[in-house]
Amino acid sequence: AQSVTQLDSQVPVFEEAPVELRCNYSSSVSVYLFWYVQYPNQGLQLLLKYLSGSTLVESINGFEAEFKKSETSFHLTKPSAHMSDAAEYFCAVSEGDYQLIWGAGTKLIIKP
Amino acid sequence: DAGITQSPRHKVTETGTPVTLRCHQTENHRYMYWYRQDPGHGLRLIHYSYGVKDTDKGEVSDGYSVSRSKTEDFLLTLESATSSQTSVYFCAISVASMYEQYFGPGTRLTVT
Repeated sequence: AQSVTQLDSQVPVFEEAPVELRCNYSSSVSVYLFWYVQYPNQGLQLLLKYLSGSTLVESINGFEAEFKKSETSFHLTKPSAHMSDAAEYFCAVSEGDYQLIWGAGTKLIIKP
Repeated sequence: DAGITQSPRHKVTETGTPVTLRCHQTENHRYMYWYRQDPGHGLRLIHYSYGVKDTDKGEVSDGYSVSRSKTEDFLLTLESATSSQTSVYFCAISVASMYEQYFGPGTRLTVT
């Protein structure tokens, strides 16, 4: 069965420090990969996605994720964290059947 | 903005009472989903729909039923609410051939 693992439940970083949120998945077929962000007391918003083509995808607010098929990973990175990035981040995977398999989420904590 | 609204946004109810949550979309998307979100559990799929009158169970469907009599509305019913159903409920839609999901603002349900 397919699964998504976000090993870190919380990631604390200092403001302006680099961020890496890890996501690994297990699947034997081609996948589509997503990162969502949830700010406190809000719904989930799509941050970025990999469907095909370039394995490095970017969001409008400076986050990137790279699809590494050999490592079955889709880690989310940002070179410099801002206070406004504090939120919970969810990784999700689809095998093309309109179902998403979700990771447990990683809470990004920004320290001043 | 995928034009998704949920009602009510907040509800407090007593154990044993029936509760219906409504999800409404304005863009005629085929796929609709109900999730619950609880601390430490991430997002868990309750039920989903792939068309009018076409629904199926998710991983945590016990105690919940759904109905979809119109493309734009997807109803989630708790037949007899229990305290374990206290949660935040999210509705989502999926855009055809894109696989990502877009979420409504959520309903916070408290069962006392």
